[in-house]
Amino acid sequence: NAGVTQTPKFQVLKTGQSMTLQCAQDMNHNSMYWYRQDPGMGLRLIYYSASEGTTDKGEVPNGYNVSRLNKREFSLRLESAAPSQTSVYFCASRQPLAEPTQYFGPGTRLLVL
Amino acid sequence: SQQGEEDPQALSIQEGENATMNCSYKTSINNLQWYRQNSGRGLVHLILIRSNEREKHSGRLRVTLDTSKKSSSLLITASRAADTASYFCATVSYSGAGSYQLTFGKGTKLSVIP
Repeated sequence: NAGVTQTPKFQVLKTGQSMTLQCAQDMNHNSMYWYRQDPGMGLRLIYYSASEGTTDKGEVPNGYNVSRLNKREFSLRLESAAPSQTSVYFCASRQPLAEPTQYFGPGTRLLVL
Repeated sequence: SQQGEEDPQALSIQEGENATMNCSYKTSINNLQWYRQNSGRGLVHLILIRSNEREKHSGRLRVTLDTSKKSSSLLITASRAADTASYFCATVSYSGAGSYQLTFGKGTKLSVIP
């Protein structure tokens, strides 16, 4: 039982390049989330998926797209990376019909030059 | 915008001392959670307190909630060097279709000196 896994762990992009951050969970959770964390800040919600087949915008969705590929996987795509998207990205999931506790992955550090 | 605001931003104490962190928030909540983040790692859930609860304990952790003041505190007793981490409060709101959203504060960075 690996919990929430994220790939890659670290990535460097040039402005304008695209990439997809991958997230998978093996806990049979319905809801999945993508956050970004900037220095000295808490986490801000980018997108979430309440259940397979649904996605919704969070607080800071601009510049990102998501895909809930199946119940296990939730990917975050940057179509044209910008330096302002330099951040640490965390994926999280939540148990269905349970407390609103979220389980977090280890994060992906992204540097956009 | 971020719902919770932790205070202080940074706290340095000696091992064995107690550490108290505070969180203030702006709107009504369903419940409030505290998370811990070790350097370079993801967040780990510590404790949840419901809006109708005033105090909750879990091991060396004690959380209080004052909904009239829109504030919560996290007390770590008999701190250890391994407690060194950043601590975040998160307010919980229901966003429909069985989904909850967490809104995080900026965190308190705790350093416990051996």
